[in-house]
Amino acid sequence: VQLVESGGGLVHPGGSLRLSCAASGFTFSSYWLTWVRQAPGKGLEWVANIRQDGSEKYYVDSVKGRFTISRDNAKNSLYLQMNSLRAEDTAVYYCARVAVLEWTNWFDPWGQGTLVTVSS
Amino acid sequence: DIQMTQSPSSLSASVGDRVTITCRASQSIATYLNWYQQKPGKAPKVLIYAAFGLQSGVPSRFSGSGSGTDFTLTISSLQPEDFATYYCQQSSSVPYSFGQGTKLEIK
Repeated sequence: VQLVESGGGLVHPGGSLRLSCAASGFTFSSYWLTWVRQAPGKGLEWVANIRQDGSEKYYVDSVKGRFTISRDNAKNSLYLQMNSLRAEDTAVYYCARVAVLEWTNWFDPWGQGTLVTVSS
Repeated sequence: DIQMTQSPSSLSASVGDRVTITCRASQSIATYLNWYQQKPGKAPKVLIYAAFGLQSGVPSRFSGSGSGTDFTLTISSLQPEDFATYYCQQSSSVPYSFGQGTKLEIK
């Protein structure tokens, strides 16, 4: 099971960036997926979740209306479209699979992360 | 939204010590509580799910307990590879949230 993020980089405030997460080693279409970010030297912040078929999506308030999570099950890929970027969006962005057991869930495994830097 | 508070924020301990980290939720989350370990420059990895479930491959010196609002992660005998930052996370409701982290350092 492996998740590999890409698409990070330096972007100006107000700009856009699209992150990708390529999955392998499991039945991609059977799992919820998530994005979690970590600002430099800071803790973890959950960003967004997406259901197996893409029909349900949830976001943290700070990115609602600016970020869009999506997936392509045919390509085993997860995406995060980030618009109107702000300095406070600077972080390492991780994708993760949502593991489920009966009534509960957790994030496992995680990708290695991709760094997004928002700066002029 | 549910707030998660960990204590302590940092902790110094020696190899062989027994260590306990606590996590408190701002409202009851039953046992929807997970623990992660993160080493510098690496992605987090899950240690404990659903408050006390030991993730496959994780050493048995790690254990979790608690329900409702108060939870603990215990390492029974610290090993050199355990020095890292630990996070709790609630999966009771979105927005999911993490504690601020506990950095475990070598004394």
